[in-house]
Amino acid sequence: DIQMTQSPASLSASLGETVTIECRASEDIYNGLAWYQQKPGKSPQLLIYNANSLHTGVPSRFSGSGSGTQYSLKINSLQSEDVASYFCQQYYDYPYTFGAGTKLELK
Amino acid sequence: QVKLLQSGAALVKPGASVKMSCKASGYTFTDYWVSWVKQSHGKSLEWIGEIYPNSGATNFNEKFKGKATLTVDKSTSTAYMELSRLTSEDSAIYYCTRRGDNNYYFDYWGQGVMVTVSS
Repeated sequence: DIQMTQSPASLSASLGETVTIECRASEDIYNGLAWYQQKPGKSPQLLIYNANSLHTGVPSRFSGSGSGTQYSLKINSLQSEDVASYFCQQYYDYPYTFGAGTKLELK
Repeated sequence: QVKLLQSGAALVKPGASVKMSCKASGYTFTDYWVSWVKQSHGKSLEWIGEIYPNSGATNFNEKFKGKATLTVDKSTSTAYMELSRLTSEDSAIYYCTRRGDNNYYFDYWGQGVMVTVSS
C-alpha cells in the first residue's frame, strides 16, 4: 500500500496568515492526489483534486501544488471558517490511502 | 444537487452484523462509483471498497475483504454496505462517497453513519 505522511499533525495560525500543509507519498503517485477539509462533526469535503485543481465552489485562497512524492496545500489569508482538519488522499493506486490529517486552529 | 443520504446510527452487539444504506439523488446513480470510508474516533480515514452500480463491479481494500459486503439497488438509487462479525474495532463513522468513472477522487460525501459495537 502507498503510505501518505502528512505534516504537521496540528497547526495554529492567525487570521490573515498563510499556512501550508505537506503530504509525502511513499512512492510516485503522478499527481493522483486530493485534499479534503473536515469541520468538526461534518463529513469531509473535497478541496483540491489532481494535486492542483480547485473543486467547484472552493474559495481561491486554497491551492495545491507538488509532483512525484511531495505535495502541499496552501491556504492564503486564513479565515475563521478554515478551522478544520485537512486530509490528503492518493488515488494513483489501490487501495486508496489517506494521510493522518492536520488539525488547523486559530492562534 | 448531488446528495448522498445515509441511514441512521446503529448500536449493535459484538459478533452481529449491520447493514447501512446510502441513497443517492441529483445525478445518474449508475454513472458513478460509490465508495465507503471508515473513520475511527478522532482518527484518519480508511478506504473500505467501492462498487459500480451499473455493473455491480467491486474493488476492495484487502483489509476489509470478508468484513464488508457492498451491494446496490438501482431501482432506488441506493447503495448498501454490510459489516459482519462486528468487534469493538468496527466502532466508527462510515461514510459513503462518490467518484466518477474516470476520476478517482471523492467529490461528494454522505453525512456518515455512526456504528457503535457494544454489549
